[in-house]
Amino acid sequence: QQQVKQSPQSLIVQKGGISIINCAYENTAFDYFPWYQQFPGKGPALLIAIRPDVSEKKEGRFTISFNKSAKQFSLHIMDSQPGDSATYFCAAINQAGTALIFGKGTTLSVSS
Amino acid sequence: DAGVIQSPRHEVTEMGQEVTLRCKPISGHDYLFWYRQTMMRGLELLIYFNNNVPIDDSGMPEDRFSAKMPNASFSTLKIQPSEPRDSAVYFCASSGMGRGLSGYTFGSGTRLTVV
Repeated sequence: QQQVKQSPQSLIVQKGGISIINCAYENTAFDYFPWYQQFPGKGPALLIAIRPDVSEKKEGRFTISFNKSAKQFSLHIMDSQPGDSATYFCAAINQAGTALIFGKGTTLSVSS
Repeated sequence: DAGVIQSPRHEVTEMGQEVTLRCKPISGHDYLFWYRQTMMRGLELLIYFNNNVPIDDSGMPEDRFSAKMPNASFSTLKIQPSEPRDSAVYFCASSGMGRGLSGYTFGSGTRLTVV
């Protein structure tokens, strides 16, 4: 499977801080990049997604930044809250792709 | 809509036994995916179906694994014989658009422990 590399593996952020999770990909044919959020005992759920024709997408406190030339994209969580504590997965797919390819996940803990 | 329904939620079995995991996708979704989640490998795609037909099973680790989708509302993932290294959380997901543009809806998973 084509790879999507995600970092860091785990992250601890103070309440009110900014959480940043990074992903890099190799396949330049990828054209859709979603982020999924997973709480313990639950399946991943779509959080926010971006296409490579835009450099940034914001939804509430969540922002995706996309750098096409560097083949990197990141998730920023502003004003992080304890309720944001979860595992976050980046993913990618292309027009000829079979299914979403996921990064290995980042476990975020927001301390109060 | 009740979402994607998986059963059982937890399964503990002895090595060598047959295990069957079940999934009911969201009505109207024509794509169904089976993923396996482990700490070491993250979320791995095992197999996916489109309109009940298996499209890509290249992620199925061994011949011990098989999956079927006899109709639009039911799929099974079978492991026979099971081994301790099969211990993982298995997720089923469905989508109305296979390229994920509408987002995959995941079930709550089946946590499999093989002892």
